[in-house]
Amino acid sequence: DAGVIQSPRHEVTEMGQEVTLRCKPISGHNSLFWYRQTMMRGLELLIYFNNNVPIDDSGMPEDRFSAKMPNASFSTLKIQPSEPRDSAVYFCASSPQQGGTDTQYFGPGTRLTVL
Amino acid sequence: AQSVTQPDIHITVSEGASLELRCNYSYGATPYLFWYVQSPGQGLQLLLKYFSGDTLVQGIKGFEAEFKRSQSSFNLRKPSVHWSDAAEYFCARWDSSASKIIFGSGTRLSIRP
Repeated sequence: DAGVIQSPRHEVTEMGQEVTLRCKPISGHNSLFWYRQTMMRGLELLIYFNNNVPIDDSGMPEDRFSAKMPNASFSTLKIQPSEPRDSAVYFCASSPQQGGTDTQYFGPGTRLTVL
Repeated sequence: AQSVTQPDIHITVSEGASLELRCNYSYGATPYLFWYVQSPGQGLQLLLKYFSGDTLVQGIKGFEAEFKRSQSSFNLRKPSVHWSDAAEYFCARWDSSASKIIFGSGTRLSIRP
């Protein structure tokens, strides 16, 4: 049974470029979460979806960040334009039930480096 | 907002020794609590969770945690650690007021041979 799939695993880009991170949740899961992890700020929840609908995006740093979930099997996190301070590991997680009271299954992460 | 505190940034224990990682949470009516582990270069994996019932919770890999409402704690324990337990450990709770999960800052565990 495949877990949460994220692509790419590593991304190196230059400041000002658009970056798109992709996530395929576990089939049948109803919630999807995007996190950012840095040494300075730890693990931060950026946004989460229930049944493809964004529920809470209060963690999205600024308007340069956007996330979509067009269907139950795919989500994207886009940064446009990217900045060096966006360098981090971005995790996607999915959960069987709505909200955050159930177990979350994390993907392996995308390590983003913005030069 | 409700919060989770992990007071220890880094802990080193000898292989075979017992382990206790501390986690404190701010008061909340429904303390949905979790412990996750992150091995280097990987995502987080759930070790155990507590919603209600028996306050001593058993998890995977030989870990357990005890919910103590009087101390607002949910400490993680293991009787005898193995070198493969070296990782980062995160305590988390469901923040019912904000409807989101909150992670602690993590405790890095090193194992001394």
